[in-house]
Amino acid sequence: EVQLVESGGGFVQPGGSLRLSCAASGFTFSSYAMHWVRQAPGKGLEYVSGISSDGDNTFYVNSVKGRFTISRDNSKNTLHLQMGSLRGEDMAVYFCARSVPARFSFDCWGQGTLVTVSS
Amino acid sequence: EIVLTQSPGTLSLSPGERATLSCRASQSVSSSYLAWYQQKPGQTPRLLIYGASSRATGIPDRFSGSGSGTDFTLTISRLEPEDFVVYYCQQYGSSTGFTFGQGTKVEIK
Repeated sequence: EVQLVESGGGFVQPGGSLRLSCAASGFTFSSYAMHWVRQAPGKGLEYVSGISSDGDNTFYVNSVKGRFTISRDNSKNTLHLQMGSLRGEDMAVYFCARSVPARFSFDCWGQGTLVTVSS
Repeated sequence: EIVLTQSPGTLSLSPGERATLSCRASQSVSSSYLAWYQQKPGQTPRLLIYGASSRATGIPDRFSGSGSGTDFTLTISRLEPEDFVVYYCQQYGSSTGFTFGQGTKVEIK
């Protein structure tokens, strides 16, 4: 069974840092690009960041460039998102998602981890 | 960045009726890279349609997608009770990246 399990969410003050992880199982992790998508409470989906299957290429939405870093460890089937200089508008449920090669749609999603930014 | 605008924001219909959801892009989108998702309350999004018109695995045939260029449509031919939830479109562009629309809520009239 294909499974993505996020961890690392929690409460952090503005300006703080947090590292999210996503453990993948049930598929060949190293063959898929992986992504982070977030959803603020009661709001819609927002794409945050993505990384190619080999880790050589990364992409960030403008609002997180320079503050967030995506990485992956294909030997451990794990995706990470290092988040720094956190702001109130970063507060959301963060989902990791797998994209289908050559289709650029997200066919598998984790359950999400909540990041709360507040003083 | 390509902006996707979904309309209407809320669609009020009765079970058994046909639902037509629109997704309009601020510039042309490759049909190959236009997808639709369904999200039920408290759940993760589920891929319904990819490549503008191809149903994902396990998706009932009452869901269909169409469109090209800047105008795309998700149609639900006969609404079932479990279909009254929120739907998002999403696109990918090689130079502009991924974006989602703001969502359309289908509610019971």
